[in-house]
Amino acid sequence: NAGVTQTPKFQVLKTGQSMTLQCAQDMNHNSMYWYRQDPGMGLRLIYYSASEGTTDKGEVPNGYNVSRLNKREFSLRLESAAPSQTSVYFCASSRTTAGSSTDTQYFGPGTRLTVL
Amino acid sequence: AQSVTQLGSHVSVSEGALVLLRCNYSSSVPPYLFWYVQYPNQGLQLLLKYTSAATLVKGINGFEAEFKKSETSFHLTKPSAHMSDAAEYFCAVSARNTGGFKTIFGAGTRLFVKA
Repeated sequence: NAGVTQTPKFQVLKTGQSMTLQCAQDMNHNSMYWYRQDPGMGLRLIYYSASEGTTDKGEVPNGYNVSRLNKREFSLRLESAAPSQTSVYFCASSRTTAGSSTDTQYFGPGTRLTVL
Repeated sequence: AQSVTQLGSHVSVSEGALVLLRCNYSSSVPPYLFWYVQYPNQGLQLLLKYTSAATLVKGINGFEAEFKKSETSFHLTKPSAHMSDAAEYFCAVSARNTGGFKTIFGAGTRLFVKA
């Protein structure tokens, strides 16, 4: 099993450009998450999907959109990138829906995004 | 609402010394607590978690943590540091909120191990 995979690994954008970060998991997990990681701030939740067909905002959703394409895939889109979105983005998944808080989250390797 | 505070953004220890990484939480309902580790250029992976069973939780790589409700703490320890323990460590708290459960991560503590 590959676990959680993310593409691309690195990306440089100019202000105003758009892009989509892709995430897929092969563990048959129900919940999927997008986080951003910034120095000194830990991980902050952007959006999550508790099950196929549902998405909800997290702590920092502004400037992002998501799509839960199917049970395996959860993409994050930046419609008009800004320098403040320079960050490392992590996708994660967990087994159950949002009914259990004891779930372990499994993380992908991350995407390093720079917006100039 | 819940929150988590990790005391010390950087901790440096000598190889063979005790590792102590501090985590304090705030939660209005019984929390579940996690420690994750992030090695350079990798995603986070679970070290251990507290799910209201035993208060002393043993994890991978010789780490353990003790849930102390009276102190609202969940500090991570390891008796003897190895060079391979150099990484960033994140404490996380998960608790029931309106609409489901929510997990909050701390800011992280970077552990340096000196030879």
